[in-house]
Amino acid sequence: RKEVEQDPGPFNVPEGATVAFNCTYSNSASQSFFWYRQDCRKEPKLLMSVYSSGNEDGRFTAQLNRASQYISLLIRDSKLSDSATYLCVVNMDKGGGNKLTFGTGTQLKVEL
Amino acid sequence: NAGVTQTPKFRILKIGQSMTLQCAQDMNHNYMYWYRQDPGMGLKLIYYSVGAGITDKGEVPNGYNVSRSTTEDFPLRLELAAPSQTSVYFCASSYSDNNQPQHFGDGTRLSIL
Repeated sequence: RKEVEQDPGPFNVPEGATVAFNCTYSNSASQSFFWYRQDCRKEPKLLMSVYSSGNEDGRFTAQLNRASQYISLLIRDSKLSDSATYLCVVNMDKGGGNKLTFGTGTQLKVEL
Repeated sequence: NAGVTQTPKFRILKIGQSMTLQCAQDMNHNYMYWYRQDPGMGLKLIYYSVGAGITDKGEVPNGYNVSRSTTEDFPLRLELAAPSQTSVYFCASSYSDNNQPQHFGDGTRLSIL
């Protein structure tokens, strides 16, 4: 089982649609969780941190379910500019160094 | 507002050549990281550093070396380039806390022919 697992997609959705991605992680002791966005051939950029109570940033909502070891990202009113790969990222390491484990990403294509 | 700066952006090497990928950050982050990303794959940690003078191996350190003489700089050295090291290399940095996100440079695309 992969440490951080995501559906690779692609998810092809029309502009204005709502789309949700899930991610599962293997280590129940994981401490912190993030969603990053990566455009083609570019660096990963932080989209949002994921908090235990869930959190929202504009059209983006992130949820964490520790009991089932998964996190989700909901994108409302999709824009063409949301087309990218979304990386689920988990800190599984109790030791020092703030080491993160990256999923392979879910590709989103928003179409006219 | 530079953040994490990587040089060069692109490089082609011949098998057996050596080179150093440069990484500098101006955010006063103690923690720095080197990753590689192969097509369709997730990022894999090569080496990391929790402060000047301290470095540790990540998941895929073979064929690479690092040093951290200052807080700002974290160069990655390839001594004997091999085709398997063809990849995109990302440098990242973060504050010294296990709940902090990492911030990335825009990458170095390296081809070994």
